[in-house]
Amino acid sequence: SQTIHQWPATLVQPVGSPLSLECTVEGTSNPNLYWYRQAAGRGLQLLFYSVGIGQISSEVPQNLSASRPQDRQFILSSKKLLLSDSGFYLCAWSATGHGSYEQYFGPGTRLTVT
Amino acid sequence: SQQGEEDPQALSIQEGENATMNCSYKTSINNLQWYRQNSGRGLVHLILIRSNEREKHSGRLRVTLDTSKKSSSLLITASRAADTASYFCAPYSTSGSRLTFGEGTQLTVNP
Repeated sequence: SQTIHQWPATLVQPVGSPLSLECTVEGTSNPNLYWYRQAAGRGLQLLFYSVGIGQISSEVPQNLSASRPQDRQFILSSKKLLLSDSGFYLCAWSATGHGSYEQYFGPGTRLTVT
Repeated sequence: SQQGEEDPQALSIQEGENATMNCSYKTSINNLQWYRQNSGRGLVHLILIRSNEREKHSGRLRVTLDTSKKSSSLLITASRAADTASYFCAPYSTSGSRLTFGEGTQLTVNP
């Protein structure tokens, strides 16, 4: 069966520090991968999605970037965090295709920028 | 926008009652999906209804879709305290090529 992992679960970082969040998927090949951010009590904002290694689409221009160095690994990064980067970050995967299939979410990372 | 909008924003009911949540969207869709999110957790896929379907059931869940009105509803029958969560609809269309989530409905089921 497929499993999606995210780490760390929680993170407290000072403004201006770098960020690296990692997501890995097991039990499937060539998945579509997604990074979302969720503010408290709000919906999900799609940040990046990837349909293959090295193929990243950005939805929101900001100081975040994403990379997919391996088929089932998706990394969210920042060189310098802003206070507004605080939130709940969720990674998700879906079966290869047009993205019309259901998405499976990881447990999330709670990021607090201080 | 392809984004779904859930209504109401919050719903509080007693255990055993039915809960109905609505979703409206603006573009043509291929399918519409409903997800649940427990507090502090990732989303869990509940049910997918295709544009050529009008109703779908899964356990205590019943989803309807009216493409002429661009709306969907999620009914949870005989609710339980464990159903307390946020519920999101996510319309999908090939023109958008990705899911977009609304703000969700916060359901509270009181024991």
